Order: sequence, then structure tokens, then C-alpha cells
Amino acid sequence: GPKVLQIPSHQIIDMGQMVTLNCDPVSNHLYFYWYKQILGQQMEFLVNFYNGKVMEKSKLFKDQFSVERPDGSYFTLKIQPTALEDSAVYFCASSILDKFSNERLFFGHGTKLSVL
Amino acid sequence: GDQVEQSPSALSLHEGTGSALRCNFTTTMRAVQWFRKNSRGSLINLFYLASGTKENGRLKSAFDSKERYSTLHIRDAQLEDSGTYFCAAEPMSNYNVLYFGSGTKLTVEP
Repeated sequence: GPKVLQIPSHQIIDMGQMVTLNCDPVSNHLYFYWYKQILGQQMEFLVNFYNGKVMEKSKLFKDQFSVERPDGSYFTLKIQPTALEDSAVYFCASSILDKFSNERLFFGHGTKLSVL
Repeated sequence: GDQVEQSPSALSLHEGTGSALRCNFTTTMRAVQWFRKNSRGSLINLFYLASGTKENGRLKSAFDSKERYSTLHIRDAQLEDSGTYFCAAEPMSNYNVLYFGSGTKLTVEP
């Protein structure tokens, strides 16, 4: 079935550096999401994105975070600068339609970010 | 193949009644989460369980890692409970992965 790919599966960086997490969503999907899960805790919503704009974001989506999908390529989450508390697994998701649909969200397998 | 089988795919309830959603797992899971999709398509956390049961208002969830299933019970359903519910489970073997169910569309009717 359709797959969301996240690249890389694990990334290690030093605190204060910039990092970009890449997501290759399902090809005809229009809505994109990032979620964050700290080890042993529940997954938390960060942001959703449609038509080049952030539609909704949570309080976890700090000023150091940004998202974009330039020219229909990867949907990216950039953190600049990173902090120790940014260490987590980040999940990308995409869906084809919005609230009036019963379309499921398709999730990637996650990128583990380790900030040292 | 799919690691999580969620059922039913759709459920219709009259106000005031209740039912249960279920996720069966093909492998041993460390923890399970239940979500509801909001009007913008974002997932809102309902429960996170590593074992046992949790209750919050009219919702109750149970997780049995050994028997490889989790349930979400809804009682005294209200119109505003309508929506799509998902489970997601963390496998024992990999801290970096979440396996999602395909969702249950719940419709509560007057």
C-alpha cells in the first residue's frame, strides 16, 4: 500500500546545530503532519501543513521549528538551533483529504533524533 | 504485512449507547496509544498504556501485551464523539517505530 518514507531513520547531532528531517509523503496526498514522541511517552502533535501553509500547530512547535515542502519535494521539519529536549522520535504523516473525509493518516516509521 | 488490525472500520451508535473498538497485534507490543482525529485531521491523544486499563470520562481503554490486543470502550455516546479513532502500538523490538491501525469511523446519531 501507500507508504510514507522518512529519511534518515536515525540522526545524531550536537546541541546548537541545525537539523532537517525529511519526509517523502504519499504521492497524491495534500495534507502533511509532524508528530513528536519522547521515549516512553505518548506521541504528541506538532504541526499540520496544507497548500504551503501551516494550518495548525501545538505549543510544542517552538519558534526554532519550521516546516516546508518546496516544489512538491520532501516535506521537511527544520530545527535551528537544536536543544537537548529535542531528542525524540519524529513521525511524519500525510493524508489525501481533510476533515470531511474518512481518509486515514499514513505514517512514516519515524526518525530518531539524538541531540548530544 | 500489517502489524495492527483495527476493527470495526466503521461504527454507528445511537446517543446514550456504547460499544468497543479493538486493535489486534501480530507481534508483542510494548505500549499502545489511542487517538481521535480532530476537524483538521490532527491526532489528539486519548490514552497511552503500557499495561492494564485507563479511564477518562466516558472512555476506557485496556491493553494486554501478552494477548496482543487493546480496546477502547465508549459509553453513553454523545453526538460530539463522532469522528475517526486510531490505535498505534510500539513493538518490543524497536523503539523507533509506531504501527498504526487503519482507523474506525464512529458516527453517533440522535
